[in-house]
Amino acid sequence: DTGVSQNPRHKITKRGQNVTFRCDPISEHNRLYWYRQTLGQGPEFLTYFQNEAQLEKSRLLSDRFSAERPKGSFSTLEIQRTEQGDSAMYLCASSAGTSGGLADTQYFGPGTRLTVL
Amino acid sequence: DQQVKQNSPSLSVQEGRISILNCDYTNSMFDYFLWYKKYPAEGPTFLISISSIKDKNEDGRFTVFLNKSAKHLSLHIVPSQPGDSAVYFCAAKDGGATNKLIFGTGTLLAVQP
Repeated sequence: DTGVSQNPRHKITKRGQNVTFRCDPISEHNRLYWYRQTLGQGPEFLTYFQNEAQLEKSRLLSDRFSAERPKGSFSTLEIQRTEQGDSAMYLCASSAGTSGGLADTQYFGPGTRLTVL
Repeated sequence: DQQVKQNSPSLSVQEGRISILNCDYTNSMFDYFLWYKKYPAEGPTFLISISSIKDKNEDGRFTVFLNKSAKHLSLHIVPSQPGDSAVYFCAAKDGGATNKLIFGTGTLLAVQP
């Protein structure tokens, strides 16, 4: 399987704990995105990497959230001092970036479902 | 402010008939649109896309129509199959450097055998 993978698939944590999620994009995709999806809503953009550089962050990404892509391959998303409002599906997507412009398709992973008790 | 709107939360059609899913947008700067399909416990799967310079794009059983003056697009599936039952998301790109997607809230399609 050469698609986008995410780990863990499910995470249950207590309020105030820190959690970290991992995303492995499709090999050689240089663009990587994180989205968050809550019940009844579509995915919402959180942040974007081109190679190892984080080029855009949504205002949804409070200072408790941090994302990295240290070698331009896999990425991690960490949430510190989790709150119940952080409960959501966290989705990662990657794209090749080589076709240029708008036709560059994003391919999504299966997501990590976070439940904060 | 919801820039991409899918006003029908659900749609039920008979197998073999046409399914029409609708999407409206408010931002005239959007210039590329996509449809994704999502099964429970899976990530969204890309289905079909259309550039704003076109008014129709077809791929097998799936056709997307774009009406720029009305800021409206629709996805037609014909003939519908039970395996098409899923949540369908409309998404737009704003043409910025990141190509981030702005999604609607989704429409749950149920195809009855």
